[in-house]
Amino acid sequence: AQSVTQLGSHVSVSEGALVLLRCNYSSSVPPYLFWYVQYPNQGLQLLLKYTSAATLVKGINGFEAEFKKSETSFHLTKPSAHMSDAAEYFCAVSVTDMRFGAGTRLTVKP
Amino acid sequence: SQTIHQWPATLVQPVGSPLSLECTVEGTSNPNLYWYRQAAGRGLQLLFYSVGIGQISSEVPQNLSASRPQDRQFILSSKKLLLSDSGFYLCAWSVEGRGTGELFFGEGSRLTVL
Repeated sequence: AQSVTQLGSHVSVSEGALVLLRCNYSSSVPPYLFWYVQYPNQGLQLLLKYTSAATLVKGINGFEAEFKKSETSFHLTKPSAHMSDAAEYFCAVSVTDMRFGAGTRLTVKP
Repeated sequence: SQTIHQWPATLVQPVGSPLSLECTVEGTSNPNLYWYRQAAGRGLQLLFYSVGIGQISSEVPQNLSASRPQDRQFILSSKKLLLSDSGFYLCAWSVEGRGTGELFFGEGSRLTVL
């Protein structure tokens, strides 16, 4: 069965600093990988997805993620944090079903 | 374009009362439909999914049930709510086969059981 682990339930960065949210996956077959963002009291919105094409995936709002098979990782990055990036971020892996990590809450300090 | 509607947005119910949360999708046909529950710090737990009318699969045994009376309608129900049913419930749909496509989420329904 597939699963994901998000390292760090809370991440705090200063505005303009690098954002790095970590995700490691486990899957016996090549997976599809996703990052979603959730703003308070809202549903989830897709940021980006990896479907076995390019290993570096670019998403919305300046985010990107790199698939590293050797490390079974799919970390999410953004070069410069903005106040509007404050939200909860979920990594997900999908083979037969979408399985989500526990989420990482990103705080952006002014 | 496709849209998903979920209601009610907020619900406060006493223990032992019934529950009905409704979700409808517009702009697509024969979607895969899902109910997730989100508890604080636990991510999303898949409760039910459906690949067609009347076809419901349950992921975990629980106090809840789901039904799909129409192609684009998905209902989450309970006959008697428990305190542990409190949470944020999210309906979602996908157009591709299970496991390959992104999910599109509704705005969620926050249920508080007192």
